[in-house]
Amino acid sequence: DGGITQSPKYLFRKEGQNVTLSCEQNLNHDAMYWYRQDPGQGLRLIYYSQIVNDFQKGDIAEGYSVSREKKESFPLTVTSAQKNPTAFYLCASSIGGSGANVLTFGAGSRLTVL
Amino acid sequence: AQKVTQAQTEISVVEKEDVTLDCVYETRDTTYYLFWYKQPPSGELVFLIRRNSFDEQNEISGRYSWNFQKSTSSFNFTITASQVVDSAVYFCALRSPIQGAQKLVFGQGTRLTINP
Repeated sequence: DGGITQSPKYLFRKEGQNVTLSCEQNLNHDAMYWYRQDPGQGLRLIYYSQIVNDFQKGDIAEGYSVSREKKESFPLTVTSAQKNPTAFYLCASSIGGSGANVLTFGAGSRLTVL
Repeated sequence: AQKVTQAQTEISVVEKEDVTLDCVYETRDTTYYLFWYKQPPSGELVFLIRRNSFDEQNEISGRYSWNFQKSTSSFNFTITASQVVDSAVYFCALRSPIQGAQKLVFGQGTRLTINP
């Protein structure tokens, strides 16, 4: 079955460490996204990518970095510059980047900074 | 600027009751798309419906129905004869092809609890 796989599901990190969250899709979608979810704040866009080797900042990109070397993969690195990284991170993809396209989401990765 | 407001933070009802989740949106664009997603305890967001701004026809899918009213900028979601499996967080979202085509703007979400 096609879908989005995020790993790890749970991750603990010490302050000052970088951590990379994996996102892989086998839907043959061109566009991929990273969202951050905090209690009571809905989802906020971190980064998005429409095609391989191209990505754009979302609303809260500071302290995060991404790469898109393959169509199927869009890893997110949470750097030590991110002041409050504890959150639930959701990866999504869509056929294209137009407004009508439906986003398909992964199951998420919960990051806790100790 | 685009904005989605879900004023109901939490709703709790008894099984078999009908429940309506409110969604109010703001956009200056004439063309836009509205979505509802369900987030069960597992965490994955599940797509429920998409509506474009030119189609105000209400939609029914089983026990689910949606009421889209451009005059009040609302896109409300009703569950009829609720079941325990409907317990989840529900998100309303807005996307405009003109302003921020890549951005799906979410409301804060409504946590719905259906008690047996």
